[in-house]
Amino acid sequence: EVQLLESGGGLVQPGGSLRLSCAASGFIFSSYAMNWVRQAPGKGLEWVSVIGSSGDKTYYADSVKGRFTISRDNSKSTLYLQMNSLRAEDTAVYYCAKRHSSSWYYSDSWGQGMLVTVSS
Amino acid sequence: QSALTQPPSASGSPGQSVTISCTGSSSDVGGYNYVSWYQQHPGKAPKLIIYEVSKRPSGVPDRFSGSKSGNTASLTVSGLQAEDEADYYCSSYAGSNNLVFGGGTKLTVL
Repeated sequence: EVQLLESGGGLVQPGGSLRLSCAASGFIFSSYAMNWVRQAPGKGLEWVSVIGSSGDKTYYADSVKGRFTISRDNSKSTLYLQMNSLRAEDTAVYYCAKRHSSSWYYSDSWGQGMLVTVSS
Repeated sequence: QSALTQPPSASGSPGQSVTISCTGSSSDVGGYNYVSWYQQHPGKAPKLIIYEVSKRPSGVPDRFSGSKSGNTASLTVSGLQAEDEADYYCSSYAGSNNLVFGGGTKLTVL
């Protein structure tokens, strides 16, 4: 069974930094691209970033480009999201998600989500 | 990267069919056959129910079907059941390695 467990969220001041982790199990982590998707309180889903299976390719939404960095450690089956220069509008539940076999455009397994609150 | 447009709400009685629309542009929905739909129950993570416009992952009931015409994609839920009450989100590839989601539709089973 695929399991994705996020950690590292919490309260941070505007301009601060935070690193999210996503521990994966139940599948060959190194074979799959991974996404981060976020959801502001009471709002819809927003794609944040994707990383290729080997970590060589990374892409970002314009809203986080230059501030967030996605990375992975395949030896630890763990995905990361380093978030810098955080803003109030980054407040959201952040989900890590495994790509579907068809394409990284779809995510077929999701973590339980981790709340990040940016506030003074 | 503008969000795709979905109606905020939809409803139907048990056994009925309901269709949810997802409108984009020629840069996303209309330009690629990479539309997907997710179901999200309150407090839960999203679940993939349709990908590549009309394909269903294993385990998803065939009551769920997807289609696309021009810049608008649609999700149809047939034979509505109480457990179908949830939020539904569409998503599309938008070129240049970007994904865009819709604003979501709250489906109520009356």
